[in-house]
Amino acid sequence: EIVLTQSPGTLSLSPGERATLSCRASQSVSSSYLAWYQQKPGQAPRLLIYGASSRATGIPDRFSGSGSGTDFTLTISRLEPEDFAVYYCQQYGSSPPTTFGQGTRLEIK
Amino acid sequence: QVQLVQSGAEVKKPGASVKVSCKASGYTFTSYGISWVRQAPGQGLEWMGWISAYNGNTNYAQKLQGRVTMTTDTSTSTAYMELRSLRSDDTAVYYCARDRRWLVSHFDYWGQGTLVTVSS
Repeated sequence: EIVLTQSPGTLSLSPGERATLSCRASQSVSSSYLAWYQQKPGQAPRLLIYGASSRATGIPDRFSGSGSGTDFTLTISRLEPEDFAVYYCQQYGSSPPTTFGQGTRLEIK
Repeated sequence: QVQLVQSGAEVKKPGASVKVSCKASGYTFTSYGISWVRQAPGQGLEWMGWISAYNGNTNYAQKLQGRVTMTTDTSTSTAYMELRSLRSDDTAVYYCARDRRWLVSHFDYWGQGTLVTVSS
């Protein structure tokens, strides 16, 4: 099973700053089958990025994904107040089919 | 627009079963699959399993094998997840999410979640 480790556990930043979230896999993720989700309290997760770097429908271009193999990054170029939430990475295309990281909490400094 | 609407909250006793529904609209149901994901209070996301709405093929998480059954009713575009022999650590919000028809992938639309509480 591929284990995903997200860092940091909590990230404290101010609106307008740049956020960089990391997701490291215990083994190579095939074909960059890596997605990122945003979850706000009391809400379902929302897909941000799939295929490591493709933005989902309606996602602002301040969100970008990069990486391959075992190291992936979600970057939010300029934080808006609504971006403070928990972020999860997910790998798919392996066996078992999918696993999630433990999450990174992005909080207002 | 694509929508997944889940059934309401449930309270169950240990050892009982629960069946959660997920009604899809806004897309061709049989062209996709449905995955189920749960989230215990204050915890992260755990994938439970997948079902193809095209042919009913399933793939369950190993830890739930034997306790979970996923089905679909294509006449009503509804997916179901039944979990048996409930334990207190099954207390969680259960989500359905749209997936690919042939295999597990990323999840582009999610239901609103169903809280299942297991308590004596």
